[in-house]
Amino acid sequence: QVQLQESGPGLVKPSQTLSLTCTVSGGSISSGSYYWSWIRQPAGKGLEWIGRIYTSGSTNYNPSLKSRVTISVDTSKNQFSLKLSSVTAADTAVYYCARLGIQLYYFDYWGQGTLVTVSS
Amino acid sequence: QSALTQPASVSGSPGQSITISCTGTSSDVGSYNLVSWYQQHPGKAPKLMIYEVSKRPSGVSNRFSGSKSGNTASLTISGLQAEDEADYYCCSYAGSSTFPLVFGTGTKVTVL
Repeated sequence: QVQLQESGPGLVKPSQTLSLTCTVSGGSISSGSYYWSWIRQPAGKGLEWIGRIYTSGSTNYNPSLKSRVTISVDTSKNQFSLKLSSVTAADTAVYYCARLGIQLYYFDYWGQGTLVTVSS
Repeated sequence: QSALTQPASVSGSPGQSITISCTGTSSDVGSYNLVSWYQQHPGKAPKLMIYEVSKRPSGVSNRFSGSKSGNTASLTISGLQAEDEADYYCCSYAGSSTFPLVFGTGTKVTVL
């Protein structure tokens, strides 16, 4: 059974960089059949796709966040990470990592989510 | 990419059937049979309920079914149960390698 677990600071100051890591267990992040994605959800609002990474390191980002987002992968640790720079209160949200099928484009496994609050 | 349009809320009594619509465009829902649906209970992560428009993952009740007509996908919950009260989101492939996915606006399902 594949499991994903987000980790990182729950509080980030405005203008700083949000950093989160997703640890994958029960399966290899190097599997060629999946992308690894980040999704976020502000309180009381809908889901927003942030971006994805393939095991090769190839990435795609939501254009609305592209200038501030970096997603990276560490296959040796079976982890992938999210960095979001110059954060504001609008970036306060629950951040989820999830596995995305490379052909069929659905998220079959999700992390439990982690709340990141941007506040001074 | 604009978010797919879902009704803000849908309600029904136990045992009834309800349908949630998800309206996109000819560039996403209308062009690909790659619509998925997610159920989200408060404080929990989304759970995959339907993929490829109408396929159910192992373990998902057959009370949940999906369909598509033109630019609109639909999720039907039959035999509504109290545990079905949750938020539901659709998601579609959007055909772009740089921005491949778009989510729906979400629907709150209330069991009366």
